[in-house]
Amino acid sequence: DTGVSQNPRHKITKRGQNVTFRCDPISEHNRLYWYRQTLGQGPEFLTYFQNEAQLEKSRLLSDRFSAERPKGSFSTLEIQRTEQGDSAMYLCASSLATLPYQETQYFGPGTRLLVL
Amino acid sequence: QKEVEQNSGPLSVPEGAIASLNCTYSDRGSQSFFWYRQYSGKSPELIMFIYSNGDKEDGRFTAQLNKASQYVSLLIRDSQPSDSATYLCAVIFTGGGNKLTFGTGTQLKVEL
Repeated sequence: DTGVSQNPRHKITKRGQNVTFRCDPISEHNRLYWYRQTLGQGPEFLTYFQNEAQLEKSRLLSDRFSAERPKGSFSTLEIQRTEQGDSAMYLCASSLATLPYQETQYFGPGTRLLVL
Repeated sequence: QKEVEQNSGPLSVPEGAIASLNCTYSDRGSQSFFWYRQYSGKSPELIMFIYSNGDKEDGRFTAQLNKASQYVSLLIRDSQPSDSATYLCAVIFTGGGNKLTFGTGTQLKVEL
């Protein structure tokens, strides 16, 4: 069990550019979550997948954001036309859905994005 | 809007003391409660989860849940300098899917 991995770990981009992040969950986990965290705040939910189906998206996820999990394994999060307000730590978490509301989410190391 | 509240701190305790971290939440029907530890610049690390009223102990950590009063706490016994971190309380709200709603975290400083 190698845990949740995310790539890249750091990304610096210029405003207006597109960026894509990748998350590889723990292998047997069927749920994958994306969160965003800014300085001094707790992580905020963006979206989640059960297998390949995207089941919920936050209102935080504007139309510039898109996420996929094409084969129910790894996931990508793309931000188009980045803005300085997108600068944050993007966190991926995975879990194994068991009983309702009783699942533990394990976080990856995060991708730190800086938009200049 | 469903919310999770934590005192941002910092909470300073001497080495060897008990650190008590508190969290309140807005939805009485909430089901699941989690404590994560986050070191500066790192991602959250799960410490404990609790689903039922009462206490749950794991090593030096004890989680306490009181659903009637809508609070959950984390006690750290024999605090060590390595416990210095931000502690995040997270809740899965009923009817909110399975996403975690986090508080802003409490910064704990364990002093020598």
